[in-house]
Amino acid sequence: GAGVSQSPSNKVTEKGKDVELRCDPISGHTALYWYRQSLGQGLEFLIYFQGNSAPDKSGLPSDRFSAERTGGSVSTLTIQRTQQEDSAVYLCASSGEGPGPRREQYFGPGTRLTVT
Amino acid sequence: AQKITQTQPGMFVQEKEAVTLDCTYDTSDQSYGLFWYKQPSSGEMIFLIYQGSYDEQNATEGRYSLNFQKARKSANLVISASQLGDSAMYFCAMREVTTGRRALTFGSGTRLQVQP
Repeated sequence: GAGVSQSPSNKVTEKGKDVELRCDPISGHTALYWYRQSLGQGLEFLIYFQGNSAPDKSGLPSDRFSAERTGGSVSTLTIQRTQQEDSAVYLCASSGEGPGPRREQYFGPGTRLTVT
Repeated sequence: AQKITQTQPGMFVQEKEAVTLDCTYDTSDQSYGLFWYKQPSSGEMIFLIYQGSYDEQNATEGRYSLNFQKARKSANLVISASQLGDSAMYFCAMREVTTGRRALTFGSGTRLQVQP
């Protein structure tokens, strides 16, 4: 079966431009997460979707960052007016239903964003 | 306050030997889950093993086992019979239940290098 897919795999953009990153979760997974991983660092949580709603946006670093999810499936993370500190790998993950502790998240291959 | 601590930035192990990667965590939640992920140089995050806070037995998955010491708040990953393909970054992560936060909190990771 298909795993989590993300596009593009690499994105180079100029400072000040807007970018859109796409995530296609595993079919049937209702929960979707965005994380950011800076060079050599651990993962930093950005936003969580349950269905099309985002009950936890606490990790978005600024109002330049936004995300949406449509049809309970594909999600888009948008970064407006990109800055050099936005350069990182953006990882998307999805998991099945339920609030219990065991809901392993399955990750996509990531989008490497470079802001020049 | 840092919730997941991985104190070993890098580890070396000889092929076929066992290695332990340390992870300590901090939470006031009684119900939580602990996860280990592997990140090879290709960048994808691969789920390895899960331990629930109420699980009485240590989790095992093939060559991976988790040495869970609840009172000490540690969840060390043990890899037996190391293989060259085990060379990667390893991340410990936690998910708390009572807080309702669904996202994983990750440690900073340990880079494991398996030597022939």
